[in-house]
Amino acid sequence: NAGVMQNPRHLVRRRGQEARLRCSPMKGHSHVYWYRQLPEEGLKFMVYLQKENIIDESGMPKERFSAEFPKEGPSILRIQQVVRGDSAAYFCASSPPNNQETQYFGPGTRLLVL
Amino acid sequence: AQSVAQPEDQVNVAEGNPLTVKCTYSVSGNPYLFWYVQYPNRGLQFLLKYITGDNLVKGSYGFEAEFNKSQTSFHLKKPSALVSDSALYFCAVRVLPYGNNRLAFGKGNQVVVIP
Repeated sequence: NAGVMQNPRHLVRRRGQEARLRCSPMKGHSHVYWYRQLPEEGLKFMVYLQKENIIDESGMPKERFSAEFPKEGPSILRIQQVVRGDSAAYFCASSPPNNQETQYFGPGTRLLVL
Repeated sequence: AQSVAQPEDQVNVAEGNPLTVKCTYSVSGNPYLFWYVQYPNRGLQFLLKYITGDNLVKGSYGFEAEFNKSQTSFHLKKPSALVSDSALYFCAVRVLPYGNNRLAFGKGNQVVVIP
């Protein structure tokens, strides 16, 4: 059973470009969480999604950031018009419907904005 | 708000000695507490969790943690540290009750095991 997969692992963007981060949860997992880790800091919650639904987006910046988890395919975290402050590691985690307490993390996408 | 604190920045320990990584929590109601480990340029790996029941929780790679309600602590322990245990350790708490499982993380502790 493959773990949580994220791609790309590294992403370089110039200011003003768009960044698209993808997350494929573990097989059978229907809950997806996105977290951001800034340098020298712990992980901060961004958004919690189930298939086709955003459950909690209280950690998402109000502008430029959006997330989706469609019925088919991976979850996408999109950052429009990136700025240098968006440089961070973005981690996706998933959990199964019958054991939501434990979240399993992917390897992360490291975004660098030049 | 539900939160955890990891008071130390770095923990240095000699190989073979006991390892303790401290975590205190602040929650309303019964806490759901977790420990994760992060190796360089990798994602977080789940070590163990406390939901209810026995205060001593055993997890992966020989780690255990003790839930102490009176001291609001959930310290991670390993009886004999290995060099390969050198990593970043995060304590986390589930933020809200049923229906939302998002986690609040501490800032992390860098553990350095000295050969």
